[in-house]
Amino acid sequence: AQTVTQSQPEMSVQEAETVTLSCTYDTSENNYYLFWYKQPPSRQMILVIRQEAYKQQNATENRFSVNFQKAAKSFSLKISDSQLGDTAMYFCAFVYSGGGADGLTFGKGTHLIIQP
Amino acid sequence: DAGVIQSPRHEVTEMGQEVTLRCKPISGHDYLFWYRQTMMRGLELLIYFNNNVPIDDSGMPEDRFSAKMPNASFSTLKIQPSEPRDSAVYFCASSLGTASGGYTFGSGTRLTVV
Repeated sequence: AQTVTQSQPEMSVQEAETVTLSCTYDTSENNYYLFWYKQPPSRQMILVIRQEAYKQQNATENRFSVNFQKAAKSFSLKISDSQLGDTAMYFCAFVYSGGGADGLTFGKGTHLIIQP
Repeated sequence: DAGVIQSPRHEVTEMGQEVTLRCKPISGHDYLFWYRQTMMRGLELLIYFNNNVPIDDSGMPEDRFSAKMPNASFSTLKIQPSEPRDSAVYFCASSLGTASGGYTFGSGTRLTVV
């Protein structure tokens, strides 16, 4: 079974700073996807970024980028030029990609607070 | 597309009552997932369907929980009888094909059992 660990329950940074959220996972699989989801106070789960394990290039989406280290089973999220609207819970998630779609396995989340 | 639609948004019920949560997936998506979110346990997968057929229900906590998907555009999660420890946010999500298709979540149902 896969496990996902987010070791930072809460982080706080000033607006416009760069922040990195950590995520590690444990799996014996070789083909999988990793995701970061954002959950603002509205509780909507919003996909931030996605990484395919077979791709060496790190995914980027505007101010959001990841550092994917497959050998170390690490998948951190970097948010550049942080904004007040980035305040939310952030969840790292894993899914095996062997065929079809399985359910996501989530970490416990990191509460990110952007201070004005 | 309106996205994944869940109803009700909030539900307050008394212990022992039956509760039914509803979900309409994105049209064309062939996978549907039910998750439960609590402070203690985080986000847990309860059950998922592929083409209306339950594939894995190993996350369903006990026999009081049941889920159905009578057609491609509708699913229900039922709790009977409900207990205070069932209080949580319940999410429905849908996906097209493989995991690469991404997962779209509904806005969730906050259930409070008193």
